[in-house]
Amino acid sequence: GDSVTQMEGPVTLSEEAFLTINCTYTATGYPSLFWYVQYPGEGLQLLLKATKADDKGSNKGFEATYRKETTSFHLEKGSVQVSDSAVYFCALSDQGGSEKLVFGKGTKLTVNP
Amino acid sequence: IAGITQAPTSQILAAGRRMTLRCTQDMRHNAMYWYRQDLGLGLRLIHYSNTAGTTGKGEVPDGYSVSRANTDDFPLTLASAVPSQTSVYFCASRKDSSNTEAFFGQGTRLTVV
Repeated sequence: GDSVTQMEGPVTLSEEAFLTINCTYTATGYPSLFWYVQYPGEGLQLLLKATKADDKGSNKGFEATYRKETTSFHLEKGSVQVSDSAVYFCALSDQGGSEKLVFGKGTKLTVNP
Repeated sequence: IAGITQAPTSQILAAGRRMTLRCTQDMRHNAMYWYRQDLGLGLRLIHYSNTAGTTGKGEVPDGYSVSRANTDDFPLTLASAVPSQTSVYFCASRKDSSNTEAFFGQGTRLTVV
């Protein structure tokens, strides 16, 4: 079945450091891909998405490019801030009719001043 | 605009008791989901519903049941709670197509003792 694998955490960075969180997926067909963010004590909220190969999603300085050839959707940010500390989830949505959202296990990011 | 609302926010429940977690959305979304979030396991899909009147099993459905009598409500019932059901439960909804954003509730923290 469909699955998402993202890098194990936790990740700890200093403010203004470069961030990469790796995400690869397995799916039949051409899924849509998402990154969600969960701040402490809150539910998940959409950070960015891409719906077809070579699309780049971007928001709040974060970017991810849908790479069909490597089945990847890595999250990047050039300069992280303390306020970016959160748990990040990669997810895919299959198009097989069930409309299920499948999530990775999450990567906890801590940014220190 | 309320969006998606879960109740209760938290609950301590004796093992063997029956419990219903409530989820209501006012966005007229067709698809709704229940996930549980456990440390190190990320989000796992319990049950989902593509439209009112239909439901489906997710990755970890055992011990849970759902109903979808109308578009707005998607309650999750634990017929006889066990300690392994201690978790944070999130309800989510989205419009209906595979590339649309999912909106999450704030979560219900359930402890079964």
